[in-house]
Amino acid sequence: QVQLVQSGAEVKKPGASVKVSCKASGYTFTSYGISWVRQAPGQGLEWMGWISAYNGNTNYAQKLQGRVTMTTDTSTSTAYMELRSLRSDDTAVYYCARVELGYCSGGSCYDYWGQGTLVTVSS
Amino acid sequence: EIVLTQSPATLSLSPGERATLSCRASQSVSSYLAWYQQKPGQAPRLLIYDASNRATGIPARFSGSGSGTDFTLTISSLEPEDFAVYYCQQRSNWPEYTFGQGTKLEIK
Repeated sequence: QVQLVQSGAEVKKPGASVKVSCKASGYTFTSYGISWVRQAPGQGLEWMGWISAYNGNTNYAQKLQGRVTMTTDTSTSTAYMELRSLRSDDTAVYYCARVELGYCSGGSCYDYWGQGTLVTVSS
Repeated sequence: EIVLTQSPATLSLSPGERATLSCRASQSVSSYLAWYQQKPGQAPRLLIYDASNRATGIPARFSGSGSGTDFTLTISSLEPEDFAVYYCQQRSNWPEYTFGQGTKLEIK
């Protein structure tokens, strides 16, 4: 069965960096991409970016450009999201989700999600 | 950026009633719209994709309709487990698939 298992909760100080992992199993990792979505406390879902697990191509939300880097390790079927220069408004639950390599053309896009990783930014 | 506006922000209904949730896009997204359900402490769950197709394992009481800029999620007869927050997502502007702000469906 398809599973995405994320790393544990993190507490960081303003200005620090955080790197969240998302380990995939139950499907061919390089046949899909991974998207990252975050949710601030009591707020809605915010699309952060996307990475192709096939070739490493990325696309990031404009507001995060320059602070976020998404990578994959195909040898371990793991995706990573690193966010730098953390601010208090980066406090959120960060989710990874499986997506297709191109346009979402059916039901195998955002069909599986990780359990979420709480990142708290506080001095 | 395509902006999605969901209404109402909160919907108060009783089990057994019919729920109608709306999502309006700032520009046409054709039929490239998805709906998700999220319960407290859980990840979102895909319900509907391409405006009207139920995802695997989703009960038939959930249905989606619409195209262009106006979309509707209907729950025909509410079960106790359906009370949650619902989000729409446009899948027209690849890969930046933005979300609406959510509708909270609460028990009346």
